[in-house]
Amino acid sequence: GAGVSQSPRYKVAKRGQDVALRCDPISGHVSLFWYQQALGQGPEFLTYFQNEAQLDKSGLPSDRFFAERPEGSVSTLKIQRTQQEDSAVYLCASSLAQGVAGGPQDTQYFGPGTRLTVL
Amino acid sequence: QQQVKQSPQSLIVQKGGIPIINCAYENTAFDYFPWYQQFPGKGPALLIAIRPDVSEKKEGRFTISFNKSAKQFSLHIMDSQPGDSATYFCAANTDKLIFGTGTRLQVFP
Repeated sequence: GAGVSQSPRYKVAKRGQDVALRCDPISGHVSLFWYQQALGQGPEFLTYFQNEAQLDKSGLPSDRFFAERPEGSVSTLKIQRTQQEDSAVYLCASSLAQGVAGGPQDTQYFGPGTRLTVL
Repeated sequence: QQQVKQSPQSLIVQKGGIPIINCAYENTAFDYFPWYQQFPGKGPALLIAIRPDVSEKKEGRFTISFNKSAKQFSLHIMDSQPGDSATYFCAANTDKLIFGTGTRLQVFP
């Protein structure tokens, strides 16, 4: 299908390991978002890209978290020296328009997420 | 002030019932209020959305009621079906989407 895809779907890491999570947005979508969803909670914003520019990274919980989108399409969220509190589902979303003003063009389409478990 | 408070945490109704999920916010800068539906193992999907200049919006069996003065909004699901069983999130937007904590809805036949 033409939806947002994420890989891997599941990742188990030992505490201290580095992980990289991939997001393939819908083709042509300008905006890309990363969210963290803890068990039983709503998604929490991590960071936002408009094309290749990272315009907002205010939600990244620490400097161990790093995201990039070098060519304005695929994005990678990297977590260094993983900790148990990093265990969560990491969701990626993309939207057609620039920004998050709200409206049909700004609808965020979510991928299925990557479930990260840190032991 | 950036929070969106959602209730109830869980809801059980029989088929044909009208579950109601409520959300409240403080930040008057929020300008867009979407509702998302999430099935297990899937990402959230936009269900319906409203802007604060509108008091009600209907799309099929789903209705949002919006009370700007009270800073509250709610989702009503008419003639609920077992296939509506999912977790529902309200959200509010300024420069980013702020999600509520979710309501797990179960609709029994």
